[in-house]
Amino acid sequence: QKEVEQDPGPLSVPEGAIVSLNCTYSNSAFQYFMWYRQYSRKGPELLMYTYSSGNKEDGRFTAQVDKSSKYISLFIRDSQPSDSATYLCAMSVPGNQFYFGTGTSLTVIP
Amino acid sequence: GAVVSQHPSRVICKSGTSVKIECRSLDFQATTMFWYRQFPKQSLMLMATSNEGSKATYEQGVEKDKFLINHASLTLSTLTVTSAHPEDSSFYICSARDPLAGGIADTQYFGPGTRLTVL
Repeated sequence: QKEVEQDPGPLSVPEGAIVSLNCTYSNSAFQYFMWYRQYSRKGPELLMYTYSSGNKEDGRFTAQVDKSSKYISLFIRDSQPSDSATYLCAMSVPGNQFYFGTGTSLTVIP
Repeated sequence: GAVVSQHPSRVICKSGTSVKIECRSLDFQATTMFWYRQFPKQSLMLMATSNEGSKATYEQGVEKDKFLINHASLTLSTLTVTSAHPEDSSFYICSARDPLAGGIADTQYFGPGTRLTVL
């Protein structure tokens, strides 16, 4: 079983839709949870960061962590064509290796 | 957020030559840097973990004599692809770990990547 599972998509939505991206994990020791956005041929960019359980909101983006279910989500409200990218979840045990999901490819259609 | 630069952004070389890629953390000191490889439409594949002042730790299946990593300072790590072959063509991305960047504990910041093409 992989440490982190992420549906690769691709996911295609119309502009303005709410997007839900998800990852599941198996290691209950993970405490830091991150979402990265990667545009084509660019390095990943840190989008959201959450410590332990709970929600975090930043503009149109909301990250949720449910440690009891070992499930994390990223919600994008009022999606824009500029949100079209690959979204990678990542998680870590403090001071140890990071584990990345395979990434979900998102296309927002104008 | 913290800034990581990578140079060059693109390199084309002949088979058999060596290529050096630099990764720099511009506004923080990175005790740990990571090197990844990414094939088209695939996720990041961790190649090695580089700690300042010590030998890199390579992932299983990565040839340490082919992919030489040096982390000489807290802001610079280099990856040298020795005797490059066409199958080494890929997108190489570095990241730097800053345990205290902007109050965010323990995360990685990525460079923009280097596209290597070996002819």
